Parts: sequence; structure tokens; C-alpha cells
Amino acid sequence: DAGVTQSPTHLIKTRGQQVTLRCSPKSGHDTVSWYQQALGQGPQFIFQYYEEEERQRGNFPDRFSGHQYPNYSSELNVNALLLGDSALYLCASSTVSDDWGGETQYFGPGTRLLVL
Amino acid sequence: RKEVEQDPGPFNVPEGATVAFNCTYSNSASQSFFWYRQDCRKEPKLLMSVYSSGNEDGRFTAQLNRASQYISLLIRDSKLSDSATYLCVVRNQAGTALIFGKGTTLSVSS
Repeated sequence: DAGVTQSPTHLIKTRGQQVTLRCSPKSGHDTVSWYQQALGQGPQFIFQYYEEEERQRGNFPDRFSGHQYPNYSSELNVNALLLGDSALYLCASSTVSDDWGGETQYFGPGTRLLVL
Repeated sequence: RKEVEQDPGPFNVPEGATVAFNCTYSNSASQSFFWYRQDCRKEPKLLMSVYSSGNEDGRFTAQLNRASQYISLLIRDSKLSDSATYLCVVRNQAGTALIFGKGTTLSVSS
């Protein structure tokens, strides 16, 4: 059973460019969340997708957008890249457990983005 | 005030030591609490959930004090393999996002 997968693993872009990061959730999971982790910090919530809709958004500008497909995979798009967007971008998938009614988020290995 | 605050660290301990990490959270309405572990340049992995009654998993014990809005993690008999960053995590009120602390780095030496 494959876990959460993300692509690409590493990416180098220049300021002003646009980037698309991809995530495939764990089998059986229908919810995808995206986080940004800057060096030396904990992950910060960007947004969450469920049933192809953005369910909640964190404190990130509109340059950050996303999409979820019918197969539950997801994309994170960042426009007009800034130097400060350099970070590890983590995708987490989850679903409501039949056993206890809650959700556990499982993280993918992340995409390391460097903006020059 | 940050939503989740942790001990700054780093913690450097010898093998076999007992080490405790502390964490406070600001939103008294928070319902779910976790400790995640993150190895260098890897993704965070769930270590354990934290329940009001306290819970134990082998050498690891987690406790929650709702009145003080305080969470702790105790690691007994530290192993070299315990070296990692430990992230205190609270689920937001809507039940969607995880809110992470900055993390506390543990280094266990022989």
C-alpha cells in the first residue's frame, strides 16, 4: 500500500516564476492538506481540499492556489514566486476513521523548493 | 502569542537518560493534540496522540492538562534512534488544520 507521494522531490525556480507541485494521497484517503515548512520552523497550514473544494485556508496570499481531482490527487500552485517562498512543501492525506470518527494526517516526503 | 509554543531546545542527552518536552497552546477550545517526530530532511510522522487521561506507548508518555493548556512528552531510556525533532501539534477548532509548534530538537549521544 503506497503512502502519500509527492513530485517533484526538488525544484529550483527564479523570482517571479510559477510552480506546480503534485500530491497523490494514501489509498482510501479523500482529503488532502498542504503545508509550508521554512527552515527551522514547524509546518504551516496552507489549505485543505475535500470533494474537490477548498475546505479551509490558512494565512497565505492568493498567489497560493490549489486543486483536487476526482481521484483525490491534488496540486499546489504558487504564482509570482518570492525568495521567501523557499521551503519544504508537505502534502498530508487523511480520511475520517470508521473506528473512532477522527482523522489522522499522514505526510508525504515533501517537495523542496528553492527560489533564486 | 503563538498558537503552539514549545521548549526552544536543543536537548543533548546521553543514552539511557529521561527527557521531557513541554508545550503550551493558546486556544482553549482545541480538542485534539499530538506529538509528531521529524527526522532531518524528512516528513513529520505521528508519534502519538495525546488524551486527557494521559497515554503511554512503550518508553513514551504523553500528558495533557486542559486547565493549563499544557502538553508534555516524556521519553524514558533514550536511544540513539530517538534523535530527531519533536513537534507539538494541535488540531484547529474546525477540525481541519494541524497547528505545529516550532519543534524541539533532541540529540542522544553514546
